[in-house]
Amino acid sequence: QLQLQESGPGLVKPSETLSLTCTVSGGSITNSIYYWEWIRQPPGKGLEWIGSFCYGETNDYNPSLKSRIAISVDTSKNQFSLRLSSVTAADSAVYYCARRDLGEYFFDFWGQGTLVTVSS
Amino acid sequence: QSALTQPASVSGSPGQSITISCTGTSSDVGGYDSVSWYQQHPGKAPKLLIYDVSNRPSGVSNRFSGSKSGNTASLTISGLQAEDEADYFCSSFTSTSIHYVFGTGTKVTVL
Repeated sequence: QLQLQESGPGLVKPSETLSLTCTVSGGSITNSIYYWEWIRQPPGKGLEWIGSFCYGETNDYNPSLKSRIAISVDTSKNQFSLRLSSVTAADSAVYYCARRDLGEYFFDFWGQGTLVTVSS
Repeated sequence: QSALTQPASVSGSPGQSITISCTGTSSDVGGYDSVSWYQQHPGKAPKLLIYDVSNRPSGVSNRFSGSKSGNTASLTISGLQAEDEADYFCSSFTSTSIHYVFGTGTKVTVL
């Protein structure tokens, strides 16, 4: 059974860079039939798609965040990571990683999410 | 980005049926058969219940069903059980550059 687990600091200072990692077990992130996604949910608000990675393809980012985000991969650890720079309080959210099949538009596996608070 | 609109809460007694709506626009729900529904218990990972409007993944109870009419999609839970008490949200592909839009979320309470 595929499992995804987010990890990273729960508190980030304003203007600094938020870094999160998603560890995937039970499947390989180098399988090019899957997209690996980052999604977030600010407190009391709806979910927002952040961006996606598919091995061997160009990353895809939410245009509203594109100038501040980067998704990278560590194949040796079967992990993919999110970096979000110049954070503000508006970036406080529960961050999820998820998987999507190539050619599909739903997310079939999710991590349980990690809360990141931006505060000094 | 405009979220899909869901009722904040829906409740029902055990054994009853309830329906959760998810209203979007012709650029998302109404324009594509790519609506999905998720269940989330507190502190747990979201679980896919329905994809492509009305399809259930293997292992999901047939008490969960999905449909769509125009710009509104619906999730029906029949034979409501205590374990169904959770948050539910919808998602749709969108023709905008953000690709995916999500619902505002609905808390289901089993009375």
